Amino acid sequence: EAQVTQNPRYLITVTGKKLTVTCSQNMNHEYMSWYRQDPGLGLRQIYYSMNVEVTDKGDVPEGYKVSRKEKRNFPLILESPSPNQTSLYFCASRRLMNTEAFFGQGTRLTVV
Amino acid sequence: GIQVEQSPPDLILQEGANSTLRCNFSDSVNNLQWFHQNPWGQLINLFYIPSGTKQNGRLSATTVATERYSLLYISSSQTTDSGVYFCAVDGSSNTGKLIFGQGTTLQVKP
Repeated sequence: EAQVTQNPRYLITVTGKKLTVTCSQNMNHEYMSWYRQDPGLGLRQIYYSMNVEVTDKGDVPEGYKVSRKEKRNFPLILESPSPNQTSLYFCASRRLMNTEAFFGQGTRLTVV
Repeated sequence: GIQVEQSPPDLILQEGANSTLRCNFSDSVNNLQWFHQNPWGQLINLFYIPSGTKQNGRLSATTVATERYSLLYISSSQTTDSGVYFCAVDGSSNTGKLIFGQGTTLQVKP
């Protein structure tokens, strides 16, 4: 089954404790991206990657890092999480830009 | 940048009723998708529909790209249809970023 898998689904952590949210797709898509969803602000793009070893900032990249060492994986790294990073996070993949996007199940992160 | 507006913002239906959700966009687009965000927060793909009409069971969608709008039809609504419906288009920047509308929150009552 074609899918985008994120882990974990839920996470409560403390300020400053590094964490990684994993994202994996099995569709051999070149393009992957991360969004966060916040009430009143909608979905905003954090980072995107057009292919292996090619990543770039989206609209809200501060406090986040990504890497794309393999085509299927695109982890989101929070080196020192802060409470304003409490949000619902989505990973998405697309065969190419401007093609159909597929989203992971979402990761609900709470930073206390 | 491209603006995406959805209407209505909220909709309450009795089970079995039909509804039409609208998505207007401010510029020509190459891509338009409809998503359903269920009460658990998951974003479910409904339609990838840059133009034309598609149907999937009780749901169908039509995009008239030249007039810059798309419609999502839900027939014989069920309580499981509840949630938020988003349309999204590709932004004008060359980043692959999707621009989402603010959503239509649908509640279907039994």
